Amino acid sequence: NAGVTQTPKFQVLKTGQSMTLQCAQDMNHNSMYWYRQDPGMGLRLIYYSASEGTTDKGEVPNGYNVSRLNKREFSLRLESAAPSQTSVYFCASSETWLSSSYNSPLHFGNGTRLTVT
Amino acid sequence: QQQVKQSPQSLIVQKGGISIINCAYENTAFDYFPWYQQFPGKGPALLIAIRPDVSEKKEGRFTISFNKSAKQFSLHIMDSQPGDSATYFCAAGMDSSYKLIFGSGTRLLVRP
Repeated sequence: NAGVTQTPKFQVLKTGQSMTLQCAQDMNHNSMYWYRQDPGMGLRLIYYSASEGTTDKGEVPNGYNVSRLNKREFSLRLESAAPSQTSVYFCASSETWLSSSYNSPLHFGNGTRLTVT
Repeated sequence: QQQVKQSPQSLIVQKGGISIINCAYENTAFDYFPWYQQFPGKGPALLIAIRPDVSEKKEGRFTISFNKSAKQFSLHIMDSQPGDSATYFCAAGMDSSYKLIFGSGTRLLVRP
């Protein structure tokens, strides 16, 4: 099993450009998440989808939109990229929306490293 | 109140030594404390987790110590190996919520 697959692995954008980060999981998990990782700041939740058909804002949603395309896929869109969005983006999934549940840990993809110039 | 403070930022340990990473929290509603391990170029992966009803949990060379009154918890890596070199994140969450608050991470280097 591949687990959580993210594409692309690397991307460079100019300020104002748009792009979509793709994520797919093959573990039949109900919940999916987008995090960003910045040096010295840990991982911060951008958006999450508790189940197919629902999405909600996390800690840092400004400048992003998401789509839960089906149970497997959850995409993150930057409509007008800004240098402040330079980061490593991680998609994650869990069996239930209780991401902190003892029996439902987060499974992360390998990330997309995005640079906005 | 939602923060989790992690220290040190980086740590160098000799092979065979003990690595200790500390975390502190303020929100007493947190009831789930996992540690995630991240190798370069990879996503974080769950290493070990604890609930506040126990003071210690051990899995192989990895131990979580939990001090509820001090609102602190720590990861101890015994007999540290070069293969343990990674970034470690503590986190805190509530079992009734989607929200998991991560610490800022500790970059561990174990020298041969």
